[in-house]
Amino acid sequence: DSGVTQTPKHLITATGQRVTLRCSPRSGDLSVYWYQQSLDQGLQFLIHYYNGEERAKGNILERFSAQQFPDLHSELNLSSLELGDSALYFCASSVDNGQGAFYGYTFGSGTRLTVV
Amino acid sequence: DAKTTQPNSMESNEEEPVHLPCNHSTISGTDYIHWYRQLPSQGPEYVIHGLTSNVNNRMASLAIAEDRKSSTLILHRATLRDAAVYYCILRDPYGNKLVFGAGTILRVKS
Repeated sequence: DSGVTQTPKHLITATGQRVTLRCSPRSGDLSVYWYQQSLDQGLQFLIHYYNGEERAKGNILERFSAQQFPDLHSELNLSSLELGDSALYFCASSVDNGQGAFYGYTFGSGTRLTVV
Repeated sequence: DAKTTQPNSMESNEEEPVHLPCNHSTISGTDYIHWYRQLPSQGPEYVIHGLTSNVNNRMASLAIAEDRKSSTLILHRATLRDAAVYYCILRDPYGNKLVFGAGTILRVKS
């Protein structure tokens, strides 16, 4: 157990639907990162939150959004789902102070999303 | 983001050392070198990181070339559990986003 909890582990849904993926970071970690891993794209950075604020955006589609709550858990919302959104979605957390100190990511075990 | 180049795959025998190379010729003076690995059906796992000096931890050693244009991750005695995809990543000190490349698939033979 890495200390980063992702739920659900598996999700099967239909095209056009909306889903929410949840991530609880490791205790004490203020940063949360979301990544998408599909077979043909590898691990793609989506978005980074630090202590409730968005810090960096990557290749995140407009249909996707995220937020980090006061208790530091984060949710990734995926809407108008398409077949191509089927992938593993990973959350990672890190100890950093937002100003450079950084000691590496701890990843969760991921949510496997299948869009049918 | 500065890029890294790694071999697509490597093979090793169990109980033997493994040297996984990474080229990063465009590295800046302040970029950190990070290594992660991803075992089948799991999330990536931190292995080691360094800036200029060689680093050792319980999992591996990181050897960094003097000009910092390349580095090598060393697994001292490969086991079947080390079979994974190994990613070499550069991180600038002002951003904590890690950009993963394709990595090296390490196969370990018994």
